[in-house]
Amino acid sequence: EVQLLESGGGVVQPGGSLRLSCAASGFTFRNYALTWVRQAPGKGLEWVSAISDTGVNTYYADSVKGRFTISRDNSKNTLYLLIDSLTAEDSAVFYCAKDMTPYTNYGYGGYDVWGRGTRVTVSS
Amino acid sequence: STELTQPPSVSVSPGQTARIICSGEALSKQYTYWYQQKAGQAPVLVIYKDTERPSGIPDRFSGSSSGTTVTLLITGVQAEDEADYYCQSADSRGTYRGVFGGGTRLTV
Repeated sequence: EVQLLESGGGVVQPGGSLRLSCAASGFTFRNYALTWVRQAPGKGLEWVSAISDTGVNTYYADSVKGRFTISRDNSKNTLYLLIDSLTAEDSAVFYCAKDMTPYTNYGYGGYDVWGRGTRVTVSS
Repeated sequence: STELTQPPSVSVSPGQTARIICSGEALSKQYTYWYQQKAGQAPVLVIYKDTERPSGIPDRFSGSSSGTTVTLLITGVQAEDEADYYCQSADSRGTYRGVFGGGTRLTV
């Protein structure tokens, strides 16, 4: 079964940092671009960041550029998102999602598998 | 994001047809994808590349595209279709980033 499982969320103080992880199984991880999408409480989906299949190319939303860093370890079938300088506006459920098309170099291709999400709460 | 615009809500009775529109400049050049999100759950892809339906998605879900507008059509709506629906495409600035519409709450 194709699965994505996020972890690493929690409660963090403003200005703090977290590293989110997304463990993949059931597909050839190294062949697919991956994306992080977040959803603030009661709000819609927001595209956050994506990484190409090889990890060479990364993309960020303007709202997170310079504070978030996406990476992947194809030997561990794991995607990461390092989030720094957190503010209350970053409180959200963070989902990782798999691109539906293999061997893509970009981050907008449509996502056919999603994890259940990990919640980040920024509060003092 | 204001790049893809959706109506906040659509309401239909069971058995009727629901039309959810998404508009944006990028849609004339890029494919659109549609996701269904039920309360407390992760999104699910229901339409890809404007008109294609993933395996396992009921055939009452369909998509169409015309210029800068795409439409998700749900014919014979069932109570289980009540959910939020999001369109998604590429950033219109050609930056290889994704963008979501604001979402439409479908009430059955």
